[in-house]
Amino acid sequence: AQSVTQLDSHVSVSEGTPVLLRCNYSSSYSPSLFWYVQHPNKGLQLLLKYTSAATLVKGINGFEAEFKKSETSFHLTKPSAHMSDAAEYFCVVSDQTGTASKLTFGTGTRLQVTL
Amino acid sequence: DTEVTQTPKHLVMGMTNKKSLKCEQHMGHRAMYWYKQKAKKPPELMFVYSYEKLSINESVPSRFSPECPNSSLLNLHLHALQPEDSALYLCASSQAARSSGNTIYFGEGSWLTVV
Repeated sequence: AQSVTQLDSHVSVSEGTPVLLRCNYSSSYSPSLFWYVQHPNKGLQLLLKYTSAATLVKGINGFEAEFKKSETSFHLTKPSAHMSDAAEYFCVVSDQTGTASKLTFGTGTRLQVTL
Repeated sequence: DTEVTQTPKHLVMGMTNKKSLKCEQHMGHRAMYWYKQKAKKPPELMFVYSYEKLSINESVPSRFSPECPNSSLLNLHLHALQPEDSALYLCASSQAARSSGNTIYFGEGSWLTVV
């Protein structure tokens, strides 16, 4: 079975400083990995996904993530945080069941951005 | 903006009521999903439909009854719910293809309160 572990439940950064949200995965084969963001009282929005193409994946709003097989990691980064980045972030691994996808979510990391 | 539309956004129902949550997508996706999300927790998969057929039921109580009338619509019928069923219910859709890289697109969710 596949799984993901988000290493921090809460991360606080100052506006304009870098963001690092950590995610480790466990998979017996090359996984498909995603980062989703959820703003308060909203649904989930896809930030980016990795599907065994380039190991450095660029997403929306300046976020990117690097797939490192040797470290089984898929950390999310952004060079400069903005107040609007404050939200819950989920690292997700996808498994295929027939013609549908089954997502396994990490426990989430709440990003707080301060002035 | 999400292309998965959920109605209603908020629903308050008594434990003896019968109500339905509705979901619609026009992306041509043939896989549709219901997730349940409790406060400060990641979403949990409830049901998956692929080509309008139920393919996954994650041991959900029978008081939740899904229905997929056509390829664009997904309903969740609710009857005799309990207060602990109060949560955010998320609908999602994806391509129905044998690839774990399929992106799952989420709606904004329906907030359900059972009184």
